[in-house]
Amino acid sequence: DIVVTQSPPSLPVTPGEPASISCRSSQSLLHRNGDHYLDWYLQKPGQPPQLLIYLGSSRASGVPDRFSGSGSGTDFILKISRVEAEDVGVYYCMQSLQTPLTFGGGTRVEIK
Amino acid sequence: QVQLQESGPGLVKPSGTLSLTCTVSGGSISRSKWWSWVRQPPGKGLEWIGEVSLDGSTNHNPSLKSRVTVSLDTSRNEFSLKLTSVTAADTAVYYCSKGVGGGSSSDWFDPWGQGTLVTVSS
Repeated sequence: DIVVTQSPPSLPVTPGEPASISCRSSQSLLHRNGDHYLDWYLQKPGQPPQLLIYLGSSRASGVPDRFSGSGSGTDFILKISRVEAEDVGVYYCMQSLQTPLTFGGGTRVEIK
Repeated sequence: QVQLQESGPGLVKPSGTLSLTCTVSGGSISRSKWWSWVRQPPGKGLEWIGEVSLDGSTNHNPSLKSRVTVSLDTSRNEFSLKLTSVTAADTAVYYCSKGVGGGSSSDWFDPWGQGTLVTVSS
């Protein structure tokens, strides 16, 4: 199985300031088609997860442009350019290169 | 945008079978290839359970061994999960979701159902 590790586990943030979350996989997520099979989800309190980023860097429909995904191989980053209060919750990365699909342990983002 | 809703018993006895259905509304289940289940134990992270495709092929998490069956009923626009021989470790919120991707498995999940809590207890 591909192991996915996120850091930090908890991230206190100040509204208006940038924030970033790291996701590292135990093997490269680069597919032979050139895409990286790494997705990001946000689970707001009391809600199901929602898709933010797919294939490493593509923003899902309706996701604000303050969210961006980058990275390659085994190392990926989710960046929030200016955190807003509504961004609190737990962020998960997930690899979809091979089954079983596996999630990182999550990063809890909270307002300072 | 399709919407998904999980349904099924909220309480299952140990050694019994957990059975859930996900009803798809706002669009035909036949318009997407993969339909998946993910679970989340209370206070913990996400675990992919398995998925079914329109052609009947399935993928599942080996960690659940052979306890998982995922099936699909296009005539009812719904898909289902069965998990046998449950224990307290199977207590979780179970989510259904639409898997996006035309390959051998889902590439990402969007959207998700609201989730349903299933407790395994006598």
